[in-house]
Amino acid sequence: ILNVEQSPQSLHVQEGDSTNFTCSFPSSNFYALHWYRWETAKSPEALFVMTLNGDEKKKGRISATLNTKEGYSYLYIKGSQPEDSATYLCAFTSGGNQFYFGTGTSLTVIP
Amino acid sequence: EPEVTQTPSHQVTQMGQEVILRCVPISNHLYFYWYRQILGQKVEFLVSFYNNEISEKSEIFDDQFSVERPDGSNFTLKIRSTKLEDSAMYFCASSDSTALSQPQHFGDGTRLSIL
Repeated sequence: ILNVEQSPQSLHVQEGDSTNFTCSFPSSNFYALHWYRWETAKSPEALFVMTLNGDEKKKGRISATLNTKEGYSYLYIKGSQPEDSATYLCAFTSGGNQFYFGTGTSLTVIP
Repeated sequence: EPEVTQTPSHQVTQMGQEVILRCVPISNHLYFYWYRQILGQKVEFLVSFYNNEISEKSEIFDDQFSVERPDGSNFTLKIRSTKLEDSAMYFCASSDSTALSQPQHFGDGTRLSIL
């Protein structure tokens, strides 16, 4: 079983603040890293699929970077809004169709 | 936008009974997955399914579990002889390509409670 870690486990920020959190994964046998946004009582929603070292992806105020050599990805949220409150999950795969999820970072944006 | 649907949303079953969790993936998707999340723990991969057969399965997915795509639209997870520790949220997901390029689309989950 491969270990995928996310930090911090939870985060409270004020509306308008920018924030970031980390996903760490094994640096060997990297295939792809997925980021998902998971609101309470809903299903996880895909944010990014990252595959290449140095990848940077952006979707509105949310962006992500990838370092496969050292085994981490950062997710950034610029100017956090209350609707950004959710759990952010990363999922790693070393190939094939088996995915390993982190525990998630729970973000609360305080109005 | 097409979505993955799961039924039932909540299933309560006596220990030792069999349970079938149902999923309707997005219609043009080719890869199907089952995950579970025990309360307070990580989402855990159970199994992936492609071309009418299991492509990968985790250590969790033992002989107690089976999957089936009986009619080209439904994708089911059967748990035989359920145990208390099978209580969890079970999520189905589908994608139209491999993990290299496409994300998975998740259903809302089925909460399974074993009494």
